[in-house]
Amino acid sequence: RKEVEQDPGPFNVPEGATVAFNCTYSNSASQSFFWYRQDCRKEPKLLMSVYSSGNEDGRFTAQLNRASQYISLLIRDSKLSDSATYLCVVNSRNTGNQFYFGTGTSLTVIP
Amino acid sequence: DAMVIQNPRYQVTQFGKPVTLSCSQTLNHNVMYWYQQKSSQAPKLLFHYYDKDFNNEADTPDNFQSRRPNTSFCFLDIRSPGLGDAAMYLCATSNDRNEQYFGPGTRLTVT
Repeated sequence: RKEVEQDPGPFNVPEGATVAFNCTYSNSASQSFFWYRQDCRKEPKLLMSVYSSGNEDGRFTAQLNRASQYISLLIRDSKLSDSATYLCVVNSRNTGNQFYFGTGTSLTVIP
Repeated sequence: DAMVIQNPRYQVTQFGKPVTLSCSQTLNHNVMYWYQQKSSQAPKLLFHYYDKDFNNEADTPDNFQSRRPNTSFCFLDIRSPGLGDAAMYLCATSNDRNEQYFGPGTRLTVT
């Protein structure tokens, strides 16, 4: 079983739509959670960390459900510039400094 | 601005000809990582340094070596590149288990 699993998509949504991505992780000892955004042929860039209480940054909302071992990312009012691959990343206390990546979810926002 | 720098951005090497990729950081992070990323795949961790401690992933080929002469610099050496080693090589840093910051990557082509 993979450490982190994501629906690869692709998600094709119209501008202005709300879209949600989910990600599940297998290690219950995981303690740090992140969403990264990666544009084509570029490096991953941190979008947001995910906190236990959930957190929001503008149009982006991240949630953590420890009981079910999943994290989510909600994007409201999608913009064309949101088109990218979104990577779910998890760090576990008992695996030292290793970060586990999901395979990414591809989003295309259509005019 | 504090950042992660990778050189070169593009590297072409011949089959079997050794190549070295470099990474430097001004973030003063104690952990540095090397990832290999192929098209449409998640970044794959090759190894990481926690301070001076080297941590090799079990499935990283012996063909890949790394050096970290000081906190700021880390090198990836590919001793005998094969066609299958063509990929984007990403360097990242983090402060313990906090979020990772990636360099822009080096795109390696093997001819």
